[in-house]
Amino acid sequence: GIQVEQSPPDLILQEGANSTLRCNFSDSVNNLQWFHQNPWGQLINLFYIPSGTKQNGRLSATTVATERYSLLYISSSQTTDSGVYFCAVTRDDKIIFGKGTRLHILP
Amino acid sequence: DSGVTQTPKHLITATGQRVTLRCSPRSGDLSVYWYQQSLDQGLQFLIQYYNGEERAKGNILERFSAQQFPDLHSELNLSSLELGDSALYFCASSSFYNEQFFGPGTRLTVL
Repeated sequence: GIQVEQSPPDLILQEGANSTLRCNFSDSVNNLQWFHQNPWGQLINLFYIPSGTKQNGRLSATTVATERYSLLYISSSQTTDSGVYFCAVTRDDKIIFGKGTRLHILP
Repeated sequence: DSGVTQTPKHLITATGQRVTLRCSPRSGDLSVYWYQQSLDQGLQFLIQYYNGEERAKGNILERFSAQQFPDLHSELNLSSLELGDSALYFCASSSFYNEQFFGPGTRLTVL
């Protein structure tokens, strides 16, 4: 089956810093999503992005489907950005998650 | 608040028992997804329903089953529970464009 790898596994940053999270996938996919799970466990959809670039405030994402990767950019980090960021790909209607990147923003 | 509701929030039961988790999707969403999150397996997709019909199946055990009712709410039934079934179970709903909105989850503890 498709493998989804996220890097780095852990990231500790000072408030105000920028970060780039990466998601590599091993085969072609129908779509790709980024999620944020906050420290209280709530999962929030950030981007539905099978290809191209999208921006939402301080967050943006780029998926290069032909090269099988996606990047999530977080600019001017805030403590509320802490949590785990998951990438999930869909292939043949099945959804596969990466193991996530745990982000800790220090005040 | 995502608009997706799940009940109960917490459930504690014993091995061998059967439980039912309930999910109400956002108004207007026809798709419901079920996920399991555990420490050792991570986030796993279990099953998807669209307008009452099963649409896709992931890593759902045979002891687990789900359905979506005419009012679009969904139930996930877990039977012959084992210790390893202890996990957080999420439901999500989506409209045609596939952006998923998650409920708060049900934390299941099997003792």
